Amino acid sequence: AQTVTQSQPEMSVQEAETVTLSCTYDTSESDYYLFWYKQPPSRQMILVIRQEAYKQQNATENRFSVNFQKAAKSFSLKISDSQLGDAAMYFCAYTLGTSYDKVIFGPGTSLSVIP
Amino acid sequence: GAVVSQHPSRVICKSGTSVKIECRSLDFQATTMFWYRQFPKKSLMLMATSNEGSKATYEQGVEKDKFLINHASLTLSTLTVTSAHPEDSSFYICSARIAGVGNEQFFGPGTRLTVL
Repeated sequence: AQTVTQSQPEMSVQEAETVTLSCTYDTSESDYYLFWYKQPPSRQMILVIRQEAYKQQNATENRFSVNFQKAAKSFSLKISDSQLGDAAMYFCAYTLGTSYDKVIFGPGTSLSVIP
Repeated sequence: GAVVSQHPSRVICKSGTSVKIECRSLDFQATTMFWYRQFPKKSLMLMATSNEGSKATYEQGVEKDKFLINHASLTLSTLTVTSAHPEDSSFYICSARIAGVGNEQFFGPGTRLTVL
C-alpha cells in the first residue's frame, strides 16, 4: 500500500530565511504525481507545487522548490525568503496517473514563521 | 484556476437529524469528486470517491449508510450525514478532479459540522 510520511510535525523559520520540509513516500509504481498543499488557518487547501515522477527536473514555483529523489522516494519542499503568510499546515501528497485515483496525504507539518 | 464551492460553510444541527452538504464545481466538469473528513490539526482522511452517475466507493471503516453520497451530475456531489451524532462533528472537505489535467485536485472551502 502507498503511504506518505512527514517526519516533522512542527517547524519554525525566521522571516526571510529558508526552511525545508521533509516528505517520504512508499510505492511500487513508476508513474505517479507528488504534491505539496498548504492549508492556512482559513482551512482552504491550496496547491503549492506539483511534480510528475517521470520528470527528473525538480519543480519550482517562485519561492517554492522541491528536491525530488525518486530512488530514495523523497520529496522535500524548500521555502525561500519565508514570509508571514507562509505560516500554515503543509501536506505532502501522492497520487497515481488517472483522475480516478485517490490522493494519499501525509500527516502534515505545521510551519510557524517568526517575525 | 478551477473553483469548487461547498454549501453550507457552517452548520449546527441536533442529534438525530440529517444534514446535506453540497459540493459544486463552478467552471468545469468534474469526472471525480472526493469527500474528506478532517479533525483538528490532523490530515485529511478520505471518506469516499464519487464518480458521476455511479455509486460512490467508500474507504474502509466509513459507513455508507451513515454518509450518503450522491453524484448526480458532473458539477454536483452531495454528502448527507444521516442521523447525526456529536461524534460526527468535524470539518468536511470535498475536492474535484478533471480528467487529464495534471491530476490536480481542486478543493472546496470546507464545511464545519457541529452536532449538538
